[in-house]
Amino acid sequence: SQKIEQNSEALNIQEGKTATLTCNYTNYSPAYLQWYRQDPGRGPVFLLLIRENEKEKRKERLKVTFDTTLKQSLFHITASQPADSATYLCALDSPRGGGYNKLIFGAGTRLAVHP
Amino acid sequence: DSGVTQTPKHLITATGQRVTLRCSPRSGDLSVYWYQQSLDQGLQFLIQYYNGEERAKGNILERFSAQQFPDLHSELNLSSLELGDSALYFCASSQSSGRTDTQYFGPGTRLTVL
Repeated sequence: SQKIEQNSEALNIQEGKTATLTCNYTNYSPAYLQWYRQDPGRGPVFLLLIRENEKEKRKERLKVTFDTTLKQSLFHITASQPADSATYLCALDSPRGGGYNKLIFGAGTRLAVHP
Repeated sequence: DSGVTQTPKHLITATGQRVTLRCSPRSGDLSVYWYQQSLDQGLQFLIQYYNGEERAKGNILERFSAQQFPDLHSELNLSSLELGDSALYFCASSQSSGRTDTQYFGPGTRLTVL
């Protein structure tokens, strides 16, 4: 079955540095990959979507890459701020023909940005 | 604020009981999704409704059921509750049911089964 792996250990970085989070997947080829932010006790918030034919996508200080050969996505936050501290979830669309907009989420990586 | 509302915010009940969680989607959204998030399982897709009809099903237990009403609000019914059902339950909505539609999540209902 499909498997998504995100670093289970928290990522601690200094304010102003670039944070890089990893999402690896196995056993299928998603057409889309999404990144969400989740604060404690709150619902996930959509950040970016990248398609399988796109290598990179940017939005303000965020950048996502999608390498279908390596089966990996990298999520970068440049010039990080303490307000960026949260858990970041990677989500893949369901296998082709497997249903409509059925997202499969990774366990998430907690990011802590220190002043 | 995503525009998705969920009630109640917290729910504490006993094993064997039945509860109903309610979700109102964003204005204009036709799709509603239900997710379960527990510490050991992460965020798991349960079920999706589009304009009143079931569209996709995930790992939803037979003890759980859902429906979407004509006014597009949705309810998730959990019965014969077990300790392991304790989790955060999120509802999300999207404009249609396309695979790239952005899903907007509600604040969640925290269910505690004692």
